[in-house]
Amino acid sequence: EPEVTQTPSHQVTQMGQEVILRCVPISNHLYFYWYRQILGQKVEFLVSFYNNEISEKSEIFDDQFSVERPDGSNFTLKIRSTKLEDSAMYFCASRYEVDNEQFFGPGTRLTVL
Amino acid sequence: AQKVTQAQTEISVVEKEDVTLDCVYETRDTTYYLFWYKQPPSGELVFLIRRNSFDEQNEISGRYSWNFQKSTSSFNFTITASQVVDSAVYFCALGYGNNRLAFGKGNQVVVIP
Repeated sequence: EPEVTQTPSHQVTQMGQEVILRCVPISNHLYFYWYRQILGQKVEFLVSFYNNEISEKSEIFDDQFSVERPDGSNFTLKIRSTKLEDSAMYFCASRYEVDNEQFFGPGTRLTVL
Repeated sequence: AQKVTQAQTEISVVEKEDVTLDCVYETRDTTYYLFWYKQPPSGELVFLIRRNSFDEQNEISGRYSWNFQKSTSSFNFTITASQVVDSAVYFCALGYGNNRLAFGKGNQVVVIP
């Protein structure tokens, strides 16, 4: 069964460093998402992406964040200058059509020291 | 604003007991989607069910059942004859806009053998 994959599973970085989190959505899916979950808290929407552009973003997704689909298969989330409060689990998700469920990847745990 | 409330933080049950998780949502949209996801201790998000706002039919899938009541803006989830493998955090989510998901805070279910 096709699945969303994410790399790395765990990333440790120093405050102020740039990180890129990678996702490979399910191949025929058209809509892509990033969510984050701070430890012990709820899952929060960051951004949605469709047709090679951002379709919606939350107030969390500020200028430090960017997304890209560089090659038609990968979907990346970049954090330009990480802060301690960016430490969280980051989930990528994809879906095919408007009313279909989102399939989530296993997540990348980001630890900012 | 879109909001999902899961009032019970942690629920402990003895194996084989039934457990019901309450979910109340708020939205002004007439078209929306409701979801339940399971997050086991390994951390991934596992899709359980999707319901659209026009489909109030209840659903049963094995030991899982869902009760959608639009009149009370609730989408409750029952696990019948709970098992230790059901121990997880369960999230209710509301899909709107470009199907971005607004999650509740989750219910931690602990099934005691």
